[in-house]
Amino acid sequence: QVQLQESGPGLVKPSETLSLTCTVSGDSITSYYWSWIRQPPGKGLEWIGYIYYTGSTDYNPSLKSRVTISVDTSKSQISLKLNSVTAADTAVYYCARERWGLDAWGQGTLVTVSS
Amino acid sequence: DIQMTQSPSSLSASVGDRVTITCRASQGISNYLAWFQQKPGKAPESLIYAASNLQSGVPSKFSGSGSGTDFSLTISSLQPEDFATYYCQQYKSYPYTFGQGTKLEIK
Repeated sequence: QVQLQESGPGLVKPSETLSLTCTVSGDSITSYYWSWIRQPPGKGLEWIGYIYYTGSTDYNPSLKSRVTISVDTSKSQISLKLNSVTAADTAVYYCARERWGLDAWGQGTLVTVSS
Repeated sequence: DIQMTQSPSSLSASVGDRVTITCRASQGISNYLAWFQQKPGKAPESLIYAASNLQSGVPSKFSGSGSGTDFSLTISSLQPEDFATYYCQQYKSYPYTFGQGTKLEIK
């Protein structure tokens, strides 16, 4: 049974960089695509981007200029960096496996952007 | 980007009812359509992929149909644990996009 666990600071100051890690257990990180998705409080879901273990990525054009997703296969981790954050980036951030669609999700981590 | 539009945005129903939620894509997506259930404070859970295939462990009371631009999720014999928010999502092309959600509430 795959498990995904997001981790990182829960509070980030405006204009700084949001950095999160997703640790994958119970499955090989080299077998699937892995996505980041976010959800502002009380709102809907927004796909941020994906990565494959080879390093291949694609990002949502709405965030592309500010986002970087990377993978560390030795640690079974995928990472998300979002720079120049504003209050609009306050959200729960999820990582997910893409096997049969986005079939497995982490529990999510709330990141608040505030000074 | 492909826009996904769900209807209704909210729905009131009673235990035992059968309900249907619809999802329309702004362009054809074949059957690259998934449905998710989300309860308050929890991560979304995948119910259906490829428009009509149940994820492992999902009860058969959930069913999906459609192809092209029009899709639906039907939940039969509603139970208290089914009251949640439901999202559709297309994965035909990047960026993946979600519907705005349908909140299913107890009448």
